[in-house]
Amino acid sequence: DQQVKQNSPSLSVQEGRISILNCDYTNSMFDYFLWYKKYPAEGPTFLISISSIKDKNEDGRFTVFLNKSAKHLSLHIVPSQPGDSAVYFCAAVPFYNQGGKLIFGQGTELSVKP
Amino acid sequence: DGGITQSPKYLFRKEGQNVTLSCEQNLNHDAMYWYRQDPGQGLRLIYYSQIVNDFQKGDIAEGYSVSREKKESFPLTVTSAQKNPTAFYLCASSTDRGDYEQYFGPGTRLTVT
Repeated sequence: DQQVKQNSPSLSVQEGRISILNCDYTNSMFDYFLWYKKYPAEGPTFLISISSIKDKNEDGRFTVFLNKSAKHLSLHIVPSQPGDSAVYFCAAVPFYNQGGKLIFGQGTELSVKP
Repeated sequence: DGGITQSPKYLFRKEGQNVTLSCEQNLNHDAMYWYRQDPGQGLRLIYYSQIVNDFQKGDIAEGYSVSREKKESFPLTVTSAQKNPTAFYLCASSTDRGDYEQYFGPGTRLTVT
């Protein structure tokens, strides 16, 4: 049972435009959400996070929006750059937080075309 | 330079053999984790450890074993009981400060034939 879902396996965007990556979750008991970026054959690197008490967090070109009523979060990248091409994972932390456990979505592969 | 190292980068084994994947961190983190990634799937938690000499099963622990004898090290053994061992294995660590961020190693690609 996939509690965190990224329903778009891939996304292609033109350089300079906005990239919007989406993530849905089914469990209301998530406390915190994170986005990770992953290049092929490398480990994921942390990008940005948001607490469930907020609805927006911004860091440079990256903004994460949280809509708790819709159980939906999105990552906006503006402007998109070719170096942003990677797989993006959203992850959620349960309230009960067993040992800092993260629950990951399947990932969305972003391709930014020059 | 603080970080997490995993070795080797690529590992090949014959079916029926146990294999141990190394994970070392010098970040002074208390918690460590093992994930596996398969094509088109997210990261799935195999085992995690919050403190030395203690560890818990994750969502897909069957066919795997771990040890945590030192804070810096959290090796994962893929046993012959694991039915589909070929995958990309990722080790991660985190502090216990409540910021939830996990730091990942570069991964080990295991191929079993």
